[in-house]
Amino acid sequence: SQQGEEDPQALSIQEGENATMNCSYKTSINNLQWYRQNSGRGLVHLILIRSNEREKHSGRLRVTLDTSKKSSSLLITASRAADTASYFCATDATGGANSKLTFGKGITLSVRP
Amino acid sequence: GAVVSQHPSRVICKSGTSVKIECRSLDFQATTMFWYRQFPKKSLMLMATSNEGSKATYEQGVEKDKFLINHASLTLSTLTVTSAHPEDSSFYICSATRPASTDTQYFGPGTRLTVL
Repeated sequence: SQQGEEDPQALSIQEGENATMNCSYKTSINNLQWYRQNSGRGLVHLILIRSNEREKHSGRLRVTLDTSKKSSSLLITASRAADTASYFCATDATGGANSKLTFGKGITLSVRP
Repeated sequence: GAVVSQHPSRVICKSGTSVKIECRSLDFQATTMFWYRQFPKKSLMLMATSNEGSKATYEQGVEKDKFLINHASLTLSTLTVTSAHPEDSSFYICSATRPASTDTQYFGPGTRLTVL
């Protein structure tokens, strides 16, 4: 069953603007991860945030996690045309070996040059 | 590091035939490999989890006799779609975890299966 639900489903912005994508989930988690997928390709791991963390940065990416609201956000600053892709959040309920990811439906981000 | 490959990238087959898809971890030994299925503009649905040398664990609703998974070594897992039908047409993606960071999955580029 779907755990993560991203919002919005599609986002179109101008190059240089910031893009904010949200994810909500229903059950408790060990960690939450964000992935990017270019059309017809595999997924690329972007960032992992654990349940005891509130914010994490990686380059132009900033992820927040609010376990009380069961939500996370992914912020891409100073967006580039190359950021155009689908973005998925995925929740991991247990962590560790054999842990399973449950993916949301994804957000389609279009960055206009 | 942490590169995962899949072969083939695209395959077209006739209804009733079987198709094998390979997933390899190129520069690490994979603790666990996962097989997902993705429909157009949809999310990834986990099909099964596989560990080297043991039987795969299938998700509810996935037919184990139809989707055969073999994990013969720490760097290779195969998914065989048996007696394929048009409704099996999909994008199949594998992923692998490494012993040092089992929370992170490294994904292959996917295999586009079209069953005529």
